[in-house]
Amino acid sequence: EVQVVESGGGLVQPGGSLRLSCAASGFTLSSHWMNWVRQAPGKGLEWVASIKKDGGEMFYADSVKGRFTISRDNVKNSLYLQMNSLRGEDTAVYHCTRTRFGNRGGPFDIWGRGTMATVSS
Amino acid sequence: EVVLTQSPATLSLSPGERATLSCRASQGIGSYLGWYQQKPGQAPRLLIYDASNRATGIPARFSGSGSGTDFTLTISSLEPEDFAVYYCQQRSDWPLTFGQGTRLEIK
Repeated sequence: EVQVVESGGGLVQPGGSLRLSCAASGFTLSSHWMNWVRQAPGKGLEWVASIKKDGGEMFYADSVKGRFTISRDNVKNSLYLQMNSLRGEDTAVYHCTRTRFGNRGGPFDIWGRGTMATVSS
Repeated sequence: EVVLTQSPATLSLSPGERATLSCRASQGIGSYLGWYQQKPGQAPRLLIYDASNRATGIPARFSGSGSGTDFTLTISSLEPEDFAVYYCQQRSDWPLTFGQGTRLEIK
């Protein structure tokens, strides 16, 4: 079964850090762009970051640029999101998503259930 | 940044009726638009990619059309499981952006 499963969320104080992980299975990770998309409680979807198949290019939303880093390990079939200098507005469910084969960036054809990151004192 | 504006914000219809959802882009994006469905407590699901192509396993009652700046998602005859929130998303340019969503509710 093709799936991605996120982990690493939790409660962190403002200014703190979290590292999210995404374990991919059922497909060849190195054949796809991968992404993080977040959804604040009761709000819509917000794209956060994308990474090229070989990790050679990364793109970020302005709201996280300079604070978040997306990375991947194709040997370990894993995607990561290092989140530093966290703010209250970063509180959200973070979804790991797969880009449809042959496409750059989107569309996102596989979604994980997400991991919740809560930034609060 | 490409801003996507969805309308209406809420659409109230009955099962069996036809639903028409709109997504307008602030600048031309070719056909690089996708549609997603999200039900409460679930992850979004890709319905349509590149404006008019159904994703794997998506029923034929879902169809997409449009190009440039104006796009439409049509559900030909609503089933009870279709009542959900729908988002459009563009992949024409960075940053990737989503519309604010249309809530399709049972009348």
